[in-house]
Amino acid sequence: ETGVTQTPRHLVMGMTNKKSLKCEQHLGHNAMYWYKQSAKKPLELMFVYNFKEQTENNSVPSRFSPECPNSSHLFLHLHTLQPEDSALYLCASSQDDQGREKLFFGSGTQLSVL
Amino acid sequence: DAKTTQPTSMDCAEGRAANLPCNHSTISGNEYVYWYRQIHSQGPQYIIHGLKNNETNEMASLIITEDRKSSTLILPHATLRDTAVYYCIVRVHTNAGKSTFGDGTTLTVKP
Repeated sequence: ETGVTQTPRHLVMGMTNKKSLKCEQHLGHNAMYWYKQSAKKPLELMFVYNFKEQTENNSVPSRFSPECPNSSHLFLHLHTLQPEDSALYLCASSQDDQGREKLFFGSGTQLSVL
Repeated sequence: DAKTTQPTSMDCAEGRAANLPCNHSTISGNEYVYWYRQIHSQGPQYIIHGLKNNETNEMASLIITEDRKSSTLILPHATLRDTAVYYCIVRVHTNAGKSTFGDGTTLTVKP
């Protein structure tokens, strides 16, 4: 148990569906992150939030829409995805995005887009 | 962040020490060496980090050469549950989220 919880654990969706991934951290951290890990590829940083404000968007397509209502919760809203978006989506947190802290990851959501 | 080079895969016998090397010959003076591991279909897990001195915690030991151009992660008594992909990351101490996870080393612990 890392203190970072992601739901759902698995998700299958069609290209016309709208779904959301949820992440919650119980560590009192102020920075939260979304990563994408495609099969046999390194982790790719997607978004960074620090104190609820988005501080980084790594040229992610607009069909991925993050939301951070407070420092403990992070969502990734998905709509009109493509099959190549199938991947493991990982949430992580750290004390803040400028501090000297290590990352704590959730177990991820395995997404399949049909 | 400095680039790292790790072997693609390694095997280790259960109960023996696993020594995972990492080359980071372009490391800067203010960059730390971090190690994470990722067990299949889970998120990466922090293991240990260091600047220039050797470090030890309950999970592993980190040996950094004097010139800091390479390091070795040591799992003293490997178990089957240590089978995972191990990532060596070199970065400044800030901006944890910008850690560059490369391909890592796939360690397989065999009975």
